[in-house]
Amino acid sequence: GNSVTQMEGPVTLSEEAFLTINCTYTATGYPSLFWYVQYPGEGLQLLLKATKADDKGSNKGFEATYRKETTSFHLEKGSVQVSDSAVYFCALDNYGQNFVFGPGTRLSVLP
Amino acid sequence: GAGVSQSPRYKVAKRGQDVALRCDPISGHVSLFWYQQALGQGPEFLTYFQNEAQLDKSGLPSDRFFAERPEGSVSTLKIQRTQQEDSAVYLCASSRSLIPGQGRFSEQFFGPGTRLTVL
Repeated sequence: GNSVTQMEGPVTLSEEAFLTINCTYTATGYPSLFWYVQYPGEGLQLLLKATKADDKGSNKGFEATYRKETTSFHLEKGSVQVSDSAVYFCALDNYGQNFVFGPGTRLSVLP
Repeated sequence: GAGVSQSPRYKVAKRGQDVALRCDPISGHVSLFWYQQALGQGPEFLTYFQNEAQLDKSGLPSDRFFAERPEGSVSTLKIQRTQQEDSAVYLCASSRSLIPGQGRFSEQFFGPGTRLTVL
């Protein structure tokens, strides 16, 4: 079956630090990959996505590259801000199958 | 508004009560999904509709859970005889995609969720 594994949190960084949140997946075929973000008190929002191997998704300074050879979709940002504090979910969407989320990684950015 | 809306935002129920949670998807979105998100966990799939047809209900945890979308737009998730383990945030999402995972239309748009607390 399909599954998503994320690095455990919480992750605590100082403002302007470099961020990496690891995500690996198990799936048959060619799933689409997503990062969703959940800010405190708000619903899930799509942050970025990639629909095929070697695609790079990017938004708000965040990037993730779909690596089929390592079945990974790691989230990166060069310089985090306090406003990036949230829970980040890696997810996959496989043709005709259910959307599968990782457990989430809580990020806290300190000023 | 243009987004997915859910009501109520918060619901407190006594154990044994029935509850009904409503989802208004984005107009024109064919697919509608319900998820359960326990505290500190990722959302877990409950059920999926394509228009009014419930194509997958494999994630519903028991026969106390029932979902419907009779006219292919608004959906209701009903939980009968609620138990404490039903306490969670229930998320609704909609998508333009006819089939989950279908390429560029597969993005799901989420509502704010309904936080259910069963005492």
